[in-house]
Amino acid sequence: KQEVTQIPAALSVPEGENLVLNCSFTDSAIYNLQWFRQDPGKGLTSLLLIQSSQREQTSGRLNASLDKSSGRSTLYIAASQPGDSATYLCAVRPWSGGSNYKLTFGKGTLLTVNP
Amino acid sequence: EAQVTQNPRYLITVTGKKLTVTCSQNMNHEYMSWYRQDPGLGLRQIYYSMNVEVTDKGDVPEGYKVSRKEKRNFPLILESPSPNQTSLYFCASSQGNQPQHFGDGTRLSIL
Repeated sequence: KQEVTQIPAALSVPEGENLVLNCSFTDSAIYNLQWFRQDPGKGLTSLLLIQSSQREQTSGRLNASLDKSSGRSTLYIAASQPGDSATYLCAVRPWSGGSNYKLTFGKGTLLTVNP
Repeated sequence: EAQVTQNPRYLITVTGKKLTVTCSQNMNHEYMSWYRQDPGLGLRQIYYSMNVEVTDKGDVPEGYKVSRKEKRNFPLILESPSPNQTSLYFCASSQGNQPQHFGDGTRLSIL
């Protein structure tokens, strides 16, 4: 059974700092990995999707990497801003899922960027 | 604008009173799914659907029903809600290897 772990559970940084959020998963047979952002009381916003054949994806100040063999992904946020404060969730879709695109989620990292 | 729309956003109701949470997507996605999010447990899948008239159970289907009569709609039905179904619910849709899109969530409180 796939398990996804995110470390740290919470992170507080000063504005402008570069930071890394970690995600690990136990079963390397994944189809893709997706990073989401969740603001309090809001839905999930997709940030980046990495297919299993890819090593990284970039969008603006965000860069996500994937090392499938070691079961790890990182989300790098450059020059953090207070508006980046949110919970960041990592989710994997299994390769063997067949017709179910079910995502297995980590419990998230609560990021606070202080002005 | 591509979106997944859930209604209602908030609902407080009582045990045993049937309720339906609607979900609609405008992206012509074949795949739709329901998740619930609980503190300490994260997001867990309730039901999913690969296409019209095709649905199947996820990890926590007990106490829920779904239907998929049209491609764009995937309602979640609680026939006899109980307090342990108090949660934050999300509908999602996707197609192929594209990202999954999520609705803004429905917060249900069952007294």
